[in-house]
This record gives sequence, structure tokens and C-alpha cells, in this order.
Amino acid sequence: DTAVSQTPKYLVTQMGNDKSIKCEQNLGHDTMYWYKQDSKKFLKIMFSYNNKELIINETVPNRFSPKSPDKAHLNLHINSLELGDSAVYFCASSQDWGSTDTQYFGPGTRLTVL
Amino acid sequence: ELKVEQNPLFLSMQEGKNYTIYCNYSTTSDRLYWYRQDPGKSLESLFVLLSNGAVKQEGRLMASLDTKARLSTLHITAAVHDLSATYFCAVGFGNEKLTFGTGTRLTIIP
Repeated sequence: DTAVSQTPKYLVTQMGNDKSIKCEQNLGHDTMYWYKQDSKKFLKIMFSYNNKELIINETVPNRFSPKSPDKAHLNLHINSLELGDSAVYFCASSQDWGSTDTQYFGPGTRLTVL
Repeated sequence: ELKVEQNPLFLSMQEGKNYTIYCNYSTTSDRLYWYRQDPGKSLESLFVLLSNGAVKQEGRLMASLDTKARLSTLHITAAVHDLSATYFCAVGFGNEKLTFGTGTRLTIIP
């Protein structure tokens, strides 16, 4: 069984469109994250939710809006897509916020904006 | 703000050789992680290091932590091709977010 899953795996779209990425974890974890990995492989956190509550909101354009309908799901909606949004987006989860437990990563969603 | 630096950024080594990847961080930390990422794949957890002097080993990889020097090392022994990947360290403290290093792209040449 996949621990952290994301859909879609690939997303190709035009500038200006709105798109969503979905994430689900079946590990029973309380905390979920969105990371962005750019073309140089640099990995940076965007958002984190703990028990459906937003606890980290990094300096991210407000075109990006996360939503956590329940502890097992964290979705990312992006409005008015720009070329610079092209990247791989990873969802991750951990036992709880501040825990020393490792974070478990999803397979990633490769977003290409044309 | 916590800064995490890895070196080298790129490493090409022959099979059978030993080498070390270094991870330096700038402020107090209470946990350090090593992850592996294969091309086009997700990140896989390798080690969690929680205290000064901690050493963890799995196969040909060994990780250690020196919190006083703010340094972790990932040592590769007798490298094999299967170890080719990008390796990341990530550092955290308390309720702060994890900060990832720049990654080290390791290529093992037969």
C-alpha cells in the first residue's frame, strides 16, 4: 500500500490556468507538508498543516492555496499559473508537528507551465 | 535563519572507493536527517540522527552527527553503482520547519 500518494503525477498546462494537486496519506499522521523542488533540485517547504490547521505558510505567492479537508488529505490549488511555477511538488507527512520522526514523501507531481 | 550547506555538490567516484559527504548547518539543531533521491523519484529516508555523537549505519552508508561542530557526515564505503543518487541532509530544531541542504549528486562509475 502506498503511504503517501499524489495525483496527478504529471501536469502540463498553459499560463494563466488554475490547477489542483491532491495528496493523501494512510499512515495515520497528524502533520502534512507541501514542498517545491526546483530545476536545481533545491527543496523548499511551502506549507504545513497539523490536524487540519495551517502552521507553516512560507513566503509563497497567494496564488497558491492549500486546503486540508481532513488529517489524511492535503490539496494544493494554484491560480493563474506562471512559467516560474514549473517544478516538482512533493507532499509529505510526519507523525506530528515538532516530532523527531522522519517525514515520508509522496512520489511528486511534475508541473510544467507552457 | 538556519542555513544548511552540503559539499560537494557533485561527486563522481569509482566503484570500490570510499568517500564522505559533508553537511554543515548554521544554528542549533536537535535533529538531522539524511534522504536519498533517485532521478525522477521521491525522497527516501535513510537516517535520523538525534544526539551528539550519534552514528547510524546501513549497508555501505554510515552517517554521524557532531552537534558541537554543527556537522554531519555521510560516509560511503566501497561504493557500488546502486548508490548513484542525490543525497540530501535536512536539519530541524523544536517546532521549526525542516531546512534541506542543497543536495549532493553522487555518480558511481564502474
